[in-house]
Amino acid sequence: EVQLVESGGGLVQPGGSLRLSCAASGFTMSNYWMTWVRQAPGQGLEWVANINQDGTRKNFVDSVKGRFTISRDNAKNLLDLQMNSLRGEDTAVYYCAREVLNWVDPWGQGTLVTVSS
Amino acid sequence: ETVLTQSPATLSLSPGERATLSCRASQSVSRYVAWYQHKPGQAPRLLIYDASNRATGIPARFSGSGSGTDFTLTITTLEPEDFAVYYCQQRDTWQGLITFGQGTRLEIK
Repeated sequence: EVQLVESGGGLVQPGGSLRLSCAASGFTMSNYWMTWVRQAPGQGLEWVANINQDGTRKNFVDSVKGRFTISRDNAKNLLDLQMNSLRGEDTAVYYCAREVLNWVDPWGQGTLVTVSS
Repeated sequence: ETVLTQSPATLSLSPGERATLSCRASQSVSRYVAWYQHKPGQAPRLLIYDASNRATGIPARFSGSGSGTDFTLTITTLEPEDFAVYYCQQRDTWQGLITFGQGTRLEIK
């Protein structure tokens, strides 16, 4: 069964840092682009960042450029999102997901990040 | 960057009725649009990919159509479990950037 499990969410103060991880199983992660999507309270889905199969190409939504980094360890089937200089507007449930050609499937259950003092 | 605009923002219908949700792209995206269903506390679920292909396990009452800039998700006979938020999504083939529409909330009338 293809499965993605996120971890690392929690409460952090504005300006702080947090590292999210996503453990993949049931498929060969090195064959796929991987992506992070978030949903702020009461808002819709927002794509955050993605990374290609060997980690040489990375894309970010403008609002997180320079603050977030994305990385992967294909040997360990792990995807990470390092979030620095966090702001209140980064409060959201963060989902890890696999990209298949031009769509996203499956998705993890999400991990909640709360940025508040 | 391609912007996806969904309409209506909210759709109020009763079980058994037909739902028609729209997604318009700011520029042509060929047929590269996907649709997702999202319920509170759950992971989003892929329904349709490449405009009209149902994902594995998705009931036949869900169908997608369209190409270029105008796309439609149709649910022919609404079941109680279909009331949720629906998103369209596209991926820029060259740059790899992903965008979502703002969502349509399908609520029970």
